[in-house]
Formats: sequence, C-alpha cells, structure tokens
Amino acid sequence: KAGVTQTPRYLIKTRGQQVTLSCSPISGHRSVSWYQQTPGQGLQFLFEYFSETQRNKGNFPGRFSGRQFSNSRSEMNVSTLELGDSALYLCASRGDGYEQYFGPGTRLTVT
Amino acid sequence: GENVEQHPSTLSVQEGDSAVIKCTYSDSASNYFPWYKQELGKRPQLIIDIRSNVGEKKDQRIAVTLNKTAKHFSLHITETQPEDSAVYFCAATLMDSSYKLIFGSGTRLLVRP
Repeated sequence: KAGVTQTPRYLIKTRGQQVTLSCSPISGHRSVSWYQQTPGQGLQFLFEYFSETQRNKGNFPGRFSGRQFSNSRSEMNVSTLELGDSALYLCASRGDGYEQYFGPGTRLTVT
Repeated sequence: GENVEQHPSTLSVQEGDSAVIKCTYSDSASNYFPWYKQELGKRPQLIIDIRSNVGEKKDQRIAVTLNKTAKHFSLHITETQPEDSAVYFCAATLMDSSYKLIFGSGTRLLVRP
C-alpha cells in the first residue's frame, strides 16, 4: 500500500495570511490525526478525524481547524498566520489497529 | 492535563553498547505506548509499541518495558549501530473511541563508531 502523503511539502506564507494543508491517508484508514512539530515544543497533537467527524482536539487556538472528506482525505487550515506558526505539520493515519503512521510533513514558514 | 516526560534529552553511546530511554506518563488511563524514530529530515517511524496488558515486548535489538504501577515505560536498544542515530520519541494514549497521542520531548541518540 502507498504510505501517507501530504501536500504541499514546503510552503512560505506572510503573517496574516491563511493556509490549507492536505493529507491523504493510507488506503482503508479512516482515522487521520494532525500534529505540529517545532524545535521548542516538540510534537503536539492538533486534532483527530474519523469518518468525517472530529473526535479529539488539542490545545490550539481556533485559528487551527480541519476537516475530513468522505474518502478519508483530510485538510487543515490555519487562518491569520503568526510567526510562531512556522513548523513542520505532520499528519498520521490509522486503520483498525493501534498503530499510527506518519506522512512526510509540510514545512510551513511564516515571514 | 496529560503529560509524558522523557529522559535523557541526549544520549551518546559507543557502537555495540546498549542505550536506554525512559518515559513517565501522567494519565493512568493510558493503555497504548508507541515509540517512534525520526531521522534528520524524515518522518517519524513507528519502531515498537506496547499495550497496557503486556509488561515487555522485544523485536530483534529493541525492546520496550512497561511498569503500569509506576507509570514508566522504557526503550532498550542493544548492540547499537551508527544507523540507530536519530531522535526517539515515546508517546502515550488512551485507546477508546478517540485517539490522542501525547509525545515526550524526544531523545537525540548518537552512536559513535
């Protein structure tokens, strides 16, 4: 099976703009989670989607949102970008088991 | 809230020696504990995991132990090789209707040839 894919891989945005990141899970996986990775804060959970429903959310402001489509592909959106939003955004998919597999990430730089 | 503490933050060992990384979790309801390896510029890769109904699990040179009473779990790598050099993350979650992995802060392992 193909692995988790994310687009775009790199993105440069300006403060105040918004951005949408995309994630395609492993075929057959219905759970998609998003994480933010920064040198200072490590890997932090953003949210999890399962069958188009958000089941869990981390401690991030409302500027961070997401959604999942009927084919399990997921998008996350960050509005009104701040410098501190610069990070590697990782999505991960999970099937019926416990194991979660990560995509390559989208490197977002906010200037 | 939930928290996972990981130690040490850096670890340098000679090739062939063993390496041990320790984590402590705060939520006693957590029942699934994976370990991920992240090489520079790459995605985190699941290397081993353990569920709360098991005390130890081995896979070739790596093993994980879990002490539910103390809320500790550890990664053991034996006969380390230079390709083991990477950042290792522990994580914990309660597996129920939702899934929320809480990660430790990571351990940078350097294996000196």
